[in-house]
Amino acid sequence: DIVMTQSPDSLAVSLGERATINCKSSQTVLSSSNNMNYLAWYQHKPGQPPKLLISWASTRDSGVPDRFTGSGSGTSFTLTISSLQAEDVAVYYCQQYFSFPGTFGQGTKLEIK
Amino acid sequence: QVQLQESGPGLVKPSETLSLICSVSGGSITSSTYYWGWIRQPPGKGMEWIANFYYGGNPYYNPSLKSRVTISTDTSENQFSLRLTSVTAADTAVYYCARRSDAYGDFYDYWGHGTLVTVSS
Repeated sequence: DIVMTQSPDSLAVSLGERATINCKSSQTVLSSSNNMNYLAWYQHKPGQPPKLLISWASTRDSGVPDRFTGSGSGTSFTLTISSLQAEDVAVYYCQQYFSFPGTFGQGTKLEIK
Repeated sequence: QVQLQESGPGLVKPSETLSLICSVSGGSITSSTYYWGWIRQPPGKGMEWIANFYYGGNPYYNPSLKSRVTISTDTSENQFSLRLTSVTAADTAVYYCARRSDAYGDFYDYWGHGTLVTVSS
């Protein structure tokens, strides 16, 4: 299975500041046939279901604010929150779906400094 | 808007069978547009994909669990179920059901809140 490793495990950022979460895969998740990265990001707040933020490494799901940006390719990916809001406090997960079975990162806990 | 709700026993004894139900509202599990899946998260660990299916097709199971897992459906109730046999403490986890709507990518756009299942005598 592809191993997904996120960094850092936890992160504290001031309101209005940028938050950056990294995700690395043990093998490429870039398809040579369609040049797509098979990588998703989720946000998980306490007491709520996980929420899909981004798929295909950089495509925001419907209704996701544009302060959330996914980038990267191959084995290295980043989720950036451009201006942290209080409601962004959550655990964030990356997931690869290039190889079966899909695998998830261990999560990054984002808090307010 | 589609909603998913997991239900089932919160405590299962070792060697017994874990059975969970996912009740779906706002969408039909018989739609060929969607896949439906199960994902779990052991305490303090990352998420693990268990299985998924689309109605009318063969289910897909995580090879690490394949010998113990079965997915089934109840279309009259718009529910699908997870059955995991011969459980051990390692199967203690929050179990989520979820919906996949992308034809090409196995990521999930709607999830249930999850249900904690503890395996203990």
